[in-house]
Amino acid sequence: GALVYQYPRRTICKSGTSMRMECQAVGFQATSVAWYRQSPQKTFELIALSTVNSAIKYEQNFTQEKFPISHPNLSFSSMTVLNAYLEDRGLYLCGARDRDWGDEQYFGPGTRLTVL
Amino acid sequence: QQQVRQSPQSLTVWEGETAILNCSYENSAFDYFPWYQQFPGEGPALLIAIRSVSDKKEDGGFTIFFNKREKNLSLHIKDSQPGDSATYFCAANTNTGKLTFGDGTVLTVKP
Repeated sequence: GALVYQYPRRTICKSGTSMRMECQAVGFQATSVAWYRQSPQKTFELIALSTVNSAIKYEQNFTQEKFPISHPNLSFSSMTVLNAYLEDRGLYLCGARDRDWGDEQYFGPGTRLTVL
Repeated sequence: QQQVRQSPQSLTVWEGETAILNCSYENSAFDYFPWYQQFPGEGPALLIAIRSVSDKKEDGGFTIFFNKREKNLSLHIKDSQPGDSATYFCAANTNTGKLTFGDGTVLTVKP
């Protein structure tokens, strides 16, 4: 079956510091990886969409300078939150899809970021 | 303007009843609608999905009814169990890989 792992599951960082989170797809090819942030109120924000062999597309209010993403192969993606502040807290979710197989997007358990 | 809306915000049903969760959308270009189930402390899990060319999709005790003309859909959870208590998210996609989520319905199933 399709599985998506994310690590770390939880992280705490000091205000102004940075942290990196990783996403790994198992059992399928992650040709497309979307990073979302889920707020404490449970609402979802799409940060960026990364598709193999295409440029990473960031949504409004999110930039590469703040959330650099790497998607080096069909099973792995990482994102860094640079200079994290209180408003960056939330659950960061990786949604992976194999475009050749359909629209199904599978999520990992998320990385919960707390900023002190 | 919120693209995907869900109602009710919270729903309580008794064990064995059918829970009905509603979703509506604005963008006529949306053609794929997955429902996700999320338990506290976990990521959303894909439950069932429908394409806009269909008006009904069944999988186990879960059924999606889709009305393209009215731009709404509903998730019916038959014979609800306490273990189905979770937050359910309706999402929509235009084959871009970008999912637009609703704000969720918190379902509580009482034994």
